[in-house]
Amino acid sequence: GDSVTQMEGPVTLSEEAFLTINCTYTATGYPSLFWYVQYPGEGLQLLLKATKADDKGSNKGFEATYRKETTSFHLEKGSVQVSDSAVYFCASYASGGSYIPTFGRGTSLIVHP
Amino acid sequence: NAGVTQTPKFQVLKTGQSMTLQCAQDMNHEYMSWYRQDPGMGLRLIHYSVGAGITDQGEVPNGYNVSRSTTEDFPLRLLSAAPSQTSVYFCASSLLAGSSYNEQFFGPGTRLTVL
Repeated sequence: GDSVTQMEGPVTLSEEAFLTINCTYTATGYPSLFWYVQYPGEGLQLLLKATKADDKGSNKGFEATYRKETTSFHLEKGSVQVSDSAVYFCASYASGGSYIPTFGRGTSLIVHP
Repeated sequence: NAGVTQTPKFQVLKTGQSMTLQCAQDMNHEYMSWYRQDPGMGLRLIHYSVGAGITDQGEVPNGYNVSRSTTEDFPLRLLSAAPSQTSVYFCASSLLAGSSYNEQFFGPGTRLTVL
């Protein structure tokens, strides 16, 4: 079945550091790929998405590129802020009529001043 | 739009008690689902629905019931609460077609403790 694998956390960075959170997927066909963010005490919210190979999703300074050849969708940000501290979830949604998204286990990011 | 709303936000139950977690959405989404989130386990799908009158089991359905009588509401029932059901519960919804289909909208969560 489909699966999403994320790097384990927590990831601890100083403010203004570069961030990469790795995400790889296995799926039949060509899934849509998503990053969701969960701030403390809240539900998940969509951060960015990409629906086909080589697409780049971007939002709030975060970027991720859909790499079909490496089945990856790594999340990056050039300069993190304390306010970026949250849990980040990678997710895939298979094509072909599937209703159910596949989520990774989440990666906690802690940014220190 | 209120989006996805959940009530209550916090609940403490005793073992064996029953309760219903409420979920409602005002976006006319066909798909609705319930997840539980536990430390180190990520999100686990409990039940889901693709429209009024249609429900199905997810990864961890035991101990939970659902029904979907309207497009807007998708309540989750715990018939006899157990300490293993202590968790944070999230309701989510999405479209099944259109440009933003399968983008999940999550509620704020219900934090449940079973003593």
